[in-house]
Amino acid sequence: AQSVTQPDIHITVSEGASLELRCNYSYGATPYLFWYVQSPGQGLQLLLKYFSGDTLVQGIKGFEAEFKRSQSSFNLRKPSVHWSDAAEYFCAVGFNAGGTSYGKLTFGQGTILTVHP
Amino acid sequence: DGGITQSPKYLFRKEGQNVTLSCEQNLNHDAMYWYRQDPGQGLRLIYYSQIVNDFQKGDIAEGYSVSREKKESFPLTVTSAQKNPTAFYLCASSIRGGQGHTDTQYFGPGTRLTVL
Repeated sequence: AQSVTQPDIHITVSEGASLELRCNYSYGATPYLFWYVQSPGQGLQLLLKYFSGDTLVQGIKGFEAEFKRSQSSFNLRKPSVHWSDAAEYFCAVGFNAGGTSYGKLTFGQGTILTVHP
Repeated sequence: DGGITQSPKYLFRKEGQNVTLSCEQNLNHDAMYWYRQDPGQGLRLIYYSQIVNDFQKGDIAEGYSVSREKKESFPLTVTSAQKNPTAFYLCASSIRGGQGHTDTQYFGPGTRLTVL
């Protein structure tokens, strides 16, 4: 079965430091890849997505992510974290939507980011 | 502004009662989804609808029911058969929902349901 793993439950960084959040998936073909951010008690906001093409994608709020097929990964990065980036981050993967599939998204368990001043 | 609205933001229910959570979108999206979120478990799909008057069970549909009578509305009923309904419920929509499509899902602000 397809799966998505975010290995880090909680990450703490200092303001101004760089950030990398990990996401790995298990699937045989090229998936559709998303990163969402959620502030406490709020809905999810799309940060960026990868469907095809350039494997380095740019998103909102200065975030970027790189799709590495050989590692089945789609890690999220930011060169300099701001205190307002503190939130929970979710990686989501849409697997092959051909045939009988409708394009379901499978979510990782989330990574909580704490930013120290 | 286009978007997804969910109401109420907070909902309290006594055991044994059914409650209905509202989800409305004005994005003209065909597909709508309901997710349940529990701490440390990510999002789990309850039901989804690819088109009006059609819907399918997701991974955790037991104890829930939905309807899709209008394109813009996808209400979720949490029935008394749901054994542990206290959770944060998120509604989402995407442009297309038919076979062969994986489109970006956009989320509403959520409803927090607490069973007393």
